[in-house]
Amino acid sequence: AQRVTQPEKLLSVFKGAPVELKCNYSYSGSPELFWYVQYSRQRLQLLLRHISRESIKGFTADLNKGETSFHLKKPFAQEEDSAMYYCALRGKAAGNKLTFGGGTRVLVKP
Amino acid sequence: GAVVSQHPSWVICKSGTSVKIECRSLDFQATTMFWYRQFPKQSLMLMATSNEGSKATYEQGVEKDKFLINHASLTLSTLTVTSAHPEDSSFYICSAQAEDEQYFGPGTRLTVT
Repeated sequence: AQRVTQPEKLLSVFKGAPVELKCNYSYSGSPELFWYVQYSRQRLQLLLRHISRESIKGFTADLNKGETSFHLKKPFAQEEDSAMYYCALRGKAAGNKLTFGGGTRVLVKP
Repeated sequence: GAVVSQHPSWVICKSGTSVKIECRSLDFQATTMFWYRQFPKQSLMLMATSNEGSKATYEQGVEKDKFLINHASLTLSTLTVTSAHPEDSSFYICSAQAEDEQYFGPGTRLTVT
């Protein structure tokens, strides 16, 4: 079975401070990991995926297979980063279905 | 970019009636679409995988006779909640697969009174 855990339901940081959203997963195999973001009153959209290894909107995430983690980081949070963030896993053994974590709400205060 | 629409965006229906939700891929064809359910302040839970031209694959615990899925074309999948009850009130979200990515619709809020 595949599972994604986001231990923090809410992260509140000040503008300019670093922010790190934790994501841990369980999967027997080589998974694909994603971070999705949902801004207020908008649809869910892909933020980044581990295979692309790129920085989007200043966010990065590294897949750590040893720790089965895919934490999302940004060194200097901006107010427009306030949103709901979901970590998701896709495994070929499960027919390419996405399994989402519980989500972390990020609030960036001015 | 790939756009997915849902209709209606919100619906209120009476207990015992059925309601149909449409999911359309507007500028691409999708052989696979997914239906999710999201309760307030909770994550998305996959209900079923909808495949064009074949029967949907339901997740464990999801009643296929209650949540009817039809994927009759490469751009349209429908979810019909049959004999709706108040506990079916939720936010229903669809996504459509294009190449290697899922694109999400804006969601449909269903309220059953």
